[in-house]
Amino acid sequence: QSVLTQPPSVSGAPGQRVTISCTGSSSNIGAGFAVHWYQQLPGTAPQLLIYDNSNRPSGVPDRFSGSNSGTTASLAITGLQAEDEADYYCLSFDSSLVFGGGTKLTVL
Amino acid sequence: QLQLQESGPGLVKPSETLSLTCTVSGGSINSRTYYWAWIRQPPGKGLEWIGSIYYSGSTYYNPSLKSRVTISVDTSKNQFSLRLSSVTAADTAVYYCASEVGYCSSTSCYRGPYYFDYWGQGSLVTVSS
Repeated sequence: QSVLTQPPSVSGAPGQRVTISCTGSSSNIGAGFAVHWYQQLPGTAPQLLIYDNSNRPSGVPDRFSGSNSGTTASLAITGLQAEDEADYYCLSFDSSLVFGGGTKLTVL
Repeated sequence: QLQLQESGPGLVKPSETLSLTCTVSGGSINSRTYYWAWIRQPPGKGLEWIGSIYYSGSTYYNPSLKSRVTISVDTSKNQFSLRLSSVTAADTAVYYCASEVGYCSSTSCYRGPYYFDYWGQGSLVTVSS
């Protein structure tokens, strides 16, 4: 049971917008520790998608965006594409580094 | 850009010690702005941070694994290593090494903002007799 809670699964049709939440507490996200997001395609290593709450590394499409509010962070994906089907993980700090449980995104 | 590659046995017996090495290329492990981390992922499950090390040898461990984990660094070989003792089947996982971004001001360096930018491809370690 992670201290960062993500929905196990989300889904959307191509072209739609989906959001994935990462709910923490006053000891992690609420304490001001940044949230980072990873995309893990099947059979591959996780890849950094968003860092420091809302920044995209070079090469990540602007269809991906991150935001924070209180103790919850969110990853939004607009213009959903088939290749976005993957597992998504949030990461933050709570006396040590902690990952969310992960969310499986299915593109219908 | 950095490249990381894990190496080590793919099969370890219960109660023995798991040992993996990560070789860093495309940059120096002596970098003041990086820490070097191990992360694992049991089959079909989520990610778990194991621990991180700085080039100076300072280590940071996941409290849940701290009693069994040792991470070390060999700057002459641009490598860092993981040892996990007294393994059980629950330690079966893909083990990733990664670079953890640090921060340096004009006078000091600090750990944080706590994320990993480059990852190795992963190494499956199975614990079984």
